[in-house]
Amino acid sequence: GAGVSQSPRYKVAKRGQDVALRCDPISGHVSLFWYQQALGQGPEFLTYFQNEAQLDKSGLPSDRFFAERPEGSVSTLKIQRTQQEDSAVYLCASSLRLGDSYEQYFGPGTRLTVT
Amino acid sequence: DAKTTQPTSMDCAEGRAANLPCNHSTISGNEYVYWYRQIHSQGPQYIIHGLKNNETNEMASLIITEDRKSSTLILPHATLRDTAVYYCIVYNYNQGGKLIFGQGTELSVKP
Repeated sequence: GAGVSQSPRYKVAKRGQDVALRCDPISGHVSLFWYQQALGQGPEFLTYFQNEAQLDKSGLPSDRFFAERPEGSVSTLKIQRTQQEDSAVYLCASSLRLGDSYEQYFGPGTRLTVT
Repeated sequence: DAKTTQPTSMDCAEGRAANLPCNHSTISGNEYVYWYRQIHSQGPQYIIHGLKNNETNEMASLIITEDRKSSTLILPHATLRDTAVYYCIVYNYNQGGKLIFGQGTELSVKP
């Protein structure tokens, strides 16, 4: 079946540009997560949605980062005025429910390079 | 949040068992041990999880010590496709679902 998809897979942005990264979770998955993975590091949590509600955004590194999931399905991570330190792979994951021993299903990620 | 310690890298011969250790000495009674792996250029993939008892599925076995301070992930017959970074994660449902990844162990399966 269809897994988590992300688009674009690769994005090159000039410093100062705004970018939008899209995540299509597995149909019916209530929970959606965004992670940031710098080169050679493990993924780091950014934010979490349950349906359309953003329940935790403690990992967003600055107010230039904004995420939304208006209809409880597709999610968009927006980065305004990109900086070089934003270069990373952005991973999206979905899971069936919160608070249970359910695995998270990850997409392939979007590799963002800020030049 | 309980932290985990894993070796940075390990090698394993193809066809042999790969035993990946993880130390989580500060784990709390209600925290689970989860294992994910990440093959190059892919997103992480769930492998297995456990609380107290040993667990086995089609991918791997998880052995948790009686005091729960450490665990071992076992890939019984490693193949070249098992080459990946393996992450041991202590998971607390009170975290709201987020996974806290460490550096992981880079497993290289060699022919």
